[in-house]
Parts: sequence; C-alpha cells; structure tokens
Amino acid sequence: DTEVTQTPKHLVMGMTNKKSLKCEQHMGHRAMYWYKQKAKKPPELMFVYSYEKLSINESVPSRFSPECPNSSLLNLHLHALQPEDSALYLCASADTGSSTDTQYFGPGTRLTVL
Amino acid sequence: QKEVEQDPGPLSVPEGAIVSLNCTYSNSAFQYFMWYRQYSRKGPELLMYTYSSGNKEDGRFTAQVDKSSKYISLFIRDSQPSDSATYLCAPHNTNAGKSTFGDGTTLTVKP
Repeated sequence: DTEVTQTPKHLVMGMTNKKSLKCEQHMGHRAMYWYKQKAKKPPELMFVYSYEKLSINESVPSRFSPECPNSSLLNLHLHALQPEDSALYLCASADTGSSTDTQYFGPGTRLTVL
Repeated sequence: QKEVEQDPGPLSVPEGAIVSLNCTYSNSAFQYFMWYRQYSRKGPELLMYTYSSGNKEDGRFTAQVDKSSKYISLFIRDSQPSDSATYLCAPHNTNAGKSTFGDGTTLTVKP
C-alpha cells in the first residue's frame, strides 16, 4: 500500500468555524508533512512530524494547529481562518530510513474559506 | 534570491515532441534532485530522482544533473497528451530533511 489518503476532498467553511483535515498512511513512514498550495504555486511546507516530533514553519499562523495521534495519522485543526487561507492542503509521508526521504503525497483537501 | 529557480513556462508542444524542463539551484547542500508531476487538482507524484551529476533514464524520461553549474533538467521524449501536467523540480537536503520546490512548469502536449 503506497497510498496517502486525505479527508475530506473538499471543505467549505466560514471564518468562525472549527474544522479538521485528516491524513492517513500505512507505509510505516515515520515522517509526515502538511503543505499548503495556492493555485499555480509550489507546495509550501507548513509542518513536519518526524518520529512524532513536530517541526514548525515559523511563518504559519496559529489558526493552524497540527496533531499527530500516532505514526499513521496526521490531523490539521483549523480555527478562525481567513479567506486568504483558501488553498489545496496536501499531506505527505516519507520513509526517513531512506537517504532520499522520498515523499508520497495525498490527493489533497481543497479548502474554501468564505 | 530563491534557492530554486524553475523555467516558468507555460510550455505547449505537439505530440511526439521532445520537452526540456529546467531548474537552477543555489544551495550546495542539496544532495538529491527530485522531479514531481502534478496533474490538475491532484497531489504531486514523484516521477524520478537523481543523486550524482549525470543522467538517469526511466522510459521516456531522462533526468540530468550538473552539480558544477547547479543545473537540473528533465527531458521527455515522444511526449504524449497524458504528459500534460505541471512539473516541479525539488532538490532535497537530507541533513535538513526537506525538499525545496521550484515554482513548477505547466506543460500541455497537443494531439
């Protein structure tokens, strides 16, 4: 199984809502990532969990909160988002035992903030 | 200056053409050089990667790295309409544990 799954596929939320994005992999990878991708732009790294230890991109606002319940699951909790947060949110996982740290991406959640 | 600069495109070619996609980078710490393909409304998928200077071939795709000039290329032979996608170069720094993505080049192959 070389698949990273993400739910939901699409999400529309208001600025006062609280929602969560979910990501799951069963490849035994010990690193998981959240990326944000705006249209016609490359993915921007938001958070990395490596062996369930979090690394943060300091520029990510606190209205985004990651959670890694176990090595197979990754959540992104959203609260009080702004319209400019509308984007494709990608989850990826990597085998940190390999020298390339090859990342496998999920299909993404397309988020629209009204 | 960005760490990774990718030829912006977009690129439109007829079916069967040879396509050249190019990136330059500035960080000597990059050790691996990935190419991802991203179809519209999908996540990126790893196409291939190289480690040392030289060429690596996989079917119709050839990845080339010149570490002395910090230049990386992806060549697609006999391009097909199914190759229409955005291609992202992503040099990888193993010590930092992260890849840095280029802005992507959108390719359209016309039948």
